[in-house]
Amino acid sequence: DGGITQSPKYLFRKEGQNVTLSCEQNLNHDAMYWYRQDPGQGLRLIYYSQIVNDFQKGDIAEGYSVSREKKESFPLTVTSAQKNPTAFYLCASSFGPANEQYFGPGTRLTVT
Amino acid sequence: QQQVKQSPQSLIVQKGGISIINCAYENTAFDYFPWYQQFPGKGPALLIAIRPDVSEKKEGRFTISFNKSAKQFSLHIMDSQPGDSATYFCAASRQAGTALIFGKGTTLSVSS
Repeated sequence: DGGITQSPKYLFRKEGQNVTLSCEQNLNHDAMYWYRQDPGQGLRLIYYSQIVNDFQKGDIAEGYSVSREKKESFPLTVTSAQKNPTAFYLCASSFGPANEQYFGPGTRLTVT
Repeated sequence: QQQVKQSPQSLIVQKGGISIINCAYENTAFDYFPWYQQFPGKGPALLIAIRPDVSEKKEGRFTISFNKSAKQFSLHIMDSQPGDSATYFCAASRQAGTALIFGKGTTLSVSS
């Protein structure tokens, strides 16, 4: 099965803890993205990566970190510095920066 | 310059009717305009996309109309069905640019 997988589907953490969200794709896409979705806010870009070992900040990168050590994987760490981390996180990938982006099923993170 | 403004925020249409969602952009460098459909708790799915060299693109019941001079594009859903009830996002990007810029979404309800 080809596609983008995100795990886990639901994640609960205590305030002050770092948490890492997984994103894997087997579509051989070069570019990968992380978005955050809040009710009524649309999708906002956190980080993106066009090639392995390279990534750029999006509009709301503060309090987040990423790595791109493999083409297939683009994990996102939500750090304790992120002031309002509870949200629905979506990973996407594409063949290039402006080509069709395909999304994973998302991870709903709740921090209390 | 980077914004994509989407309207209406919510829309109720009777079964068999036409649903129309509008988006406007400011950055004239944008040249890729996709629409995504999202069901609750799922990732967005690419529905249809257009580039500015055409004024209209149709796929089944879904049509994008594009007005380059007005910097506007719209999604028309013909013969709307209850299964079309979802949130729809427009987006835009530059060919050689970064990631997609999303509108804030329109929640469509099709009543039977």
